[in-house]
Amino acid sequence: GENVEQHPSTLSVQEGDSAVIKCTYSDSASNYFPWYKQELGKRPQLIIDIRSNVGEKKDQRIAVTLNKTAKHFSLHITETQPEDSAVYFCAARVSGTYKYIFGTGTRLKVLA
Amino acid sequence: DAMVIQNPRYQVTQFGKPVTLSCSQTLNHNVMYWYQQKSSQAPKLLFHYYDKDFNNEADTPDNFQSRRPNTSFCFLDIRSPGLGDAAMYLCATSKSGTSYEQYFGPGTRLTVT
Repeated sequence: GENVEQHPSTLSVQEGDSAVIKCTYSDSASNYFPWYKQELGKRPQLIIDIRSNVGEKKDQRIAVTLNKTAKHFSLHITETQPEDSAVYFCAARVSGTYKYIFGTGTRLKVLA
Repeated sequence: DAMVIQNPRYQVTQFGKPVTLSCSQTLNHNVMYWYQQKSSQAPKLLFHYYDKDFNNEADTPDNFQSRRPNTSFCFLDIRSPGLGDAAMYLCATSKSGTSYEQYFGPGTRLTVT
């Protein structure tokens, strides 16, 4: 079945440094890839997304890149701040459905 | 401006006692989802509706049922909760067509005693 792998599971960075989280998906026909930030006890919050017809998308300090050939997509956070500390999930929309498969999550800690 | 509303936010039930969680939405989205999320894990899709068309995940236990009486409301029924069903239950919506974004409710934290 469809699968999304996410790495690393935990990531610690110094404030001001960059953080990169990577995901690999199995469904070559997937066409939509959202990234969510989830703080403890709260709902997943969409922070950025990308469609399969685009290779890169940026929103201030956050960017997502997509390599369709390799079936990889990555989240890049620059100039990290303590409030970026949270669990981040990638997801992929299953082609031909309205379902989303989530990655296993990355716990990001930004050290002040 | 609440868009996806879940009630209650916290629910305590006894082992084996049926419980119902509610979700409503003001977005007029035709797709609604129920996810189960346990601590430090990814949300796990239990089922979703496309309009009235119900789609169950193959590994969703029979103990979990759902109802969608109209576009705005969706319910999750747990017929005989076990200790392993303690989790956060997230409702989400999306609109069919070219907008793929999912909108999540705040979740209901279920405790089973």
